[in-house]
Amino acid sequence: QSVLTQPPSASGTPGQRVTISCSGSSSNIGSNPVDWYQQLPGTAPKLLIYSHNQRPSGVPDRFSASKSGTSASLAISGLQSEDEGDYYCAAWDGGLNGLWVFGGGTKLTVL
Amino acid sequence: QVQLVQSGAEVKKPGASVKVSCKASGYTFSNYAMHWVRQAPGQRLEWMGWINAGIARYSQKFQGRVTITRDTSASTVYMELSSLRSEDTAVYYCVRSGGDYWGQGTLVTVSS
Repeated sequence: QSVLTQPPSASGTPGQRVTISCSGSSSNIGSNPVDWYQQLPGTAPKLLIYSHNQRPSGVPDRFSASKSGTSASLAISGLQSEDEGDYYCAAWDGGLNGLWVFGGGTKLTVL
Repeated sequence: QVQLVQSGAEVKKPGASVKVSCKASGYTFSNYAMHWVRQAPGQRLEWMGWINAGIARYSQKFQGRVTITRDTSASTVYMELSSLRSEDTAVYYCVRSGGDYWGQGTLVTVSS
């Protein structure tokens, strides 16, 4: 099963800007939109960014994303303590008979 | 508002089957596909399959062991996983296509 690669951890101090990377391949990130999810402890993942850099209603503009080739990244500016949690990238892999693949998750610590 | 409400936690013995339900409300059920994603302790999110317009497709990893069905009249989707083993211990989520709404998760524990 194809997977996306993320760093296991990231950290920053309040107010800082932090980026999280996500590496894939031509069959997933290279040819399909990338979504980003935030998972706080004990809760279900929450959609943070979809279709590369669109934010659902209610998600602050501190969160942004970009994509280049087969890699993507999530940026969080003005880091806040409540941003601490796990972040996952996701993308469809293949065509209609493809599969949905996820990164391994990045644990963000706000120091 | 959109809600996906899943059935409660389950404890099963190895070799048994489990069926988890996901009741949708707040939107036109038939207009959206539904995915099932699981998360084993400390592991990444893992896609199991989806049902779209009544047709189910599965991850190759679970092919032959997972069955996803839906009852349109009840706005409910079901995921049944058979031949359970300890590695299937995980939280199972239903996810509306688009990834914008997730169920609360159902913990399935497989233990002898």
